[in-house]
Amino acid sequence: DAGVIQSPRHEVTEMGQEVTLRCKPISGHNSLFWYRQTMMRGLELLIYFNNNVPIDDSGMPEDRFSAKMPNASFSTLKIQPSEPRDSAVYFCASTSWTHASGYTFGSGTRLTVV
Amino acid sequence: AQSVTQPDIHITVSEGASLELRCNYSYGATPYLFWYVQSPGQGLQLLLKYFSGDTLVQGIKGFEAEFKRSQSSFNLRKPSVHWSDAAEYFCAVNQQGGSEKLVFGKGTKLTVNP
Repeated sequence: DAGVIQSPRHEVTEMGQEVTLRCKPISGHNSLFWYRQTMMRGLELLIYFNNNVPIDDSGMPEDRFSAKMPNASFSTLKIQPSEPRDSAVYFCASTSWTHASGYTFGSGTRLTVV
Repeated sequence: AQSVTQPDIHITVSEGASLELRCNYSYGATPYLFWYVQSPGQGLQLLLKYFSGDTLVQGIKGFEAEFKRSQSSFNLRKPSVHWSDAAEYFCAVNQQGGSEKLVFGKGTKLTVNP
C-alpha cells in the first residue's frame, strides 16, 4: 500500500487566493482526518469523516475553511480566501478501527500564504 | 475535557544513553494510547500503540512504552538511544468506544549528542 497520499507537498500562495489541499486515504480505511500543525498550537484536528460523512468539524477555524469527501478514496480541504495566518503544515490521516490499525498520516502539505 | 500532557518540551541525551519520555492523559475511561515520531519535514510515524492486555508494549526501532492506569501515564522508553532517534515525539490518546478523535500532546523534541 502506498500509504496516505497528500498533494501538493508545498504550496505558496498570495493572500486572498483560494487554496485546495488533497488527500487520498489508505484503501479500506473508513475514517479520514485533517490536522493542522503550527509551532504555536501544535497538532490541531480540523475535521474528520466517517464513511465519507463529516462527523466533527468543530476544529475548523472559520468559514473560510471547508472540507469535502466525495468518495472513499478522496478528500479536499479548501481555504478561501487564504490569509497569512493560515500558513502551517496540513496533515491528512486515515484509519480503520475494525482493524485497530491506528492512524496513518500522510507526509503533509506545507502551506505558505504571503 | 480530554487532554494529553507531555511535560518535557525538549530533552537532550547522549548517544547510547537510556531515554524516557513522559506522557500523562486525562480521560474518564480506559483509552487507546499511541506514540508517534516526526522527523524534520516529515509526517508522523506510528511507533507503538496500546489497546488492551499486556501493559508493556513493544514498538518499532527498539522503543517500548508502559501503560500505568493508576498514574494515567504512558511513558516511552528506549534503553540505548541512537543519533537517528533525534526527532519530535508525540503521545496521543483516543477514548475506547467514544469519538474517533485522536488528541495529541504538544510533543517532546529529542536531541541526541554524539
